[in-house]
Amino acid sequence: DGGITQSPKYLFRKEGQNVTLSCEQNLNHDAMYWYRQDPGQGLRLIYYSQIVNDFQKGDIAEGYSVSREKKESFPLTVTSAQKNPTAFYLCASSRGQENSPLHFGNGTRLTVT
Amino acid sequence: DAKTTQPPSMDCAEGRAANLPCNHSTISGNEYVYWYRQIHSQGPQYIIHGLKNNETNEMASLIITEDRKSSTLILPHATLRDTAVYYCIVRPYGGSQGNLIFGKGTKLSVKP
Repeated sequence: DGGITQSPKYLFRKEGQNVTLSCEQNLNHDAMYWYRQDPGQGLRLIYYSQIVNDFQKGDIAEGYSVSREKKESFPLTVTSAQKNPTAFYLCASSRGQENSPLHFGNGTRLTVT
Repeated sequence: DAKTTQPPSMDCAEGRAANLPCNHSTISGNEYVYWYRQIHSQGPQYIIHGLKNNETNEMASLIITEDRKSSTLILPHATLRDTAVYYCIVRPYGGSQGNLIFGKGTKLSVKP
């Protein structure tokens, strides 16, 4: 079945370490996105990419980095510069065409201590 | 800030219709209304979207008022599996899908 795979489901890291979250899609979608969700809050956009080798900052990009070397992959690195990295991270993709809806993965819950 | 206003929570009896309201009084002429839902600890799931006409699909119906300042998502026969947080979002035509602003949504509890 086509979909978006985020791994791992749960991730634990020590403060000061960089960590990379994986996102892979086999939907042949052009656009991919990363969101952050904190308890009881809505989603906030971190980065997005509309084509391979190109990406743009979202509302809360500080302390994060991404790459888009392949159409199907959009990994997110949470760097040590991110002040409050503990959160639920969601990856999404879309065809990138007008009105095409987002398809989300099931998220990675990152805990940094 | 979110451009929509939704009640924080609602209850619905199993088998009954669930009607979830959304206010988007500042919506522009080229902005679409989207609905997503999020079941606990999972990613959001797309439900339906519309511009000005009412829309229906296998999951739900979307009723948009004539002045487009509010809408209602209708789940015709709610089941326990419909318990989730429902997000109403407006998106401008031509804008990046990533610029969707997810607010806090409505937590729908379907009770037996």
